[in-house]
Amino acid sequence: EPEVTQTPSHQVTQMGQEVILRCVPISNHLYFYWYRQILGQKVEFLVSFYNNEISEKSEIFDDQFSVERPDGSNFTLKIRSTKLEDSAMYFCASMLFSGEQETQYFGPGTRLLVL
Amino acid sequence: AQSVTQLGSHVSVSEGALVLLRCNYSSSVPPYLFWYVQYPNQGLQLLLKYTSAATLVKGINGFEAEFKKSETSFHLTKPSAHMSDAAEYFCAVSGRVTGGGNKLTFGTGTQLKVEL
Repeated sequence: EPEVTQTPSHQVTQMGQEVILRCVPISNHLYFYWYRQILGQKVEFLVSFYNNEISEKSEIFDDQFSVERPDGSNFTLKIRSTKLEDSAMYFCASMLFSGEQETQYFGPGTRLLVL
Repeated sequence: AQSVTQLGSHVSVSEGALVLLRCNYSSSVPPYLFWYVQYPNQGLQLLLKYTSAATLVKGINGFEAEFKKSETSFHLTKPSAHMSDAAEYFCAVSGRVTGGGNKLTFGTGTQLKVEL
């Protein structure tokens, strides 16, 4: 069964450093998402991406964040200058259709620790 | 805007007992509703979803949920709990906006513990 994959599974970085989290969505899916889950808290929406552009973003997704689909298969989340509060589990999700068949499939996540 | 409220951050049941995890939603447009399960150190797995067909939705692992518009609820049930059901369960809602792919808004989660 096709699945969303994410790399790395864990990343430790120093405050102020740039990180890139990578996701390979399910092939032929059209919609892509990033969510995050701070330890012990609920899963929060960051950004959605469709037709090579951001379709919606949350308040969390400020200028330090960016997303890209560089080669038609990968979907990346970049944090330019990490802060301690960026420590979280980051989930990528993809979806084929919007509407009645709408189902987002999640990857296993990347645990980011900012020191 | 959409939101979900999950009553009870922790629920404990005996193996073989009924599982009932509560979820109430708020949505300004007709909602799509989902239950996801998260096992320790793993990602989110879809259990079931409601999109507008039958109000009683059957999912994987023997779980089901009933959409009740009058009560704005989408509670998750399983007739007989198994030890392997111990996990965190998240209710989520998205709006029926055509095009664009809708974000999920999650509840705070319910940790299910199953005891012998």
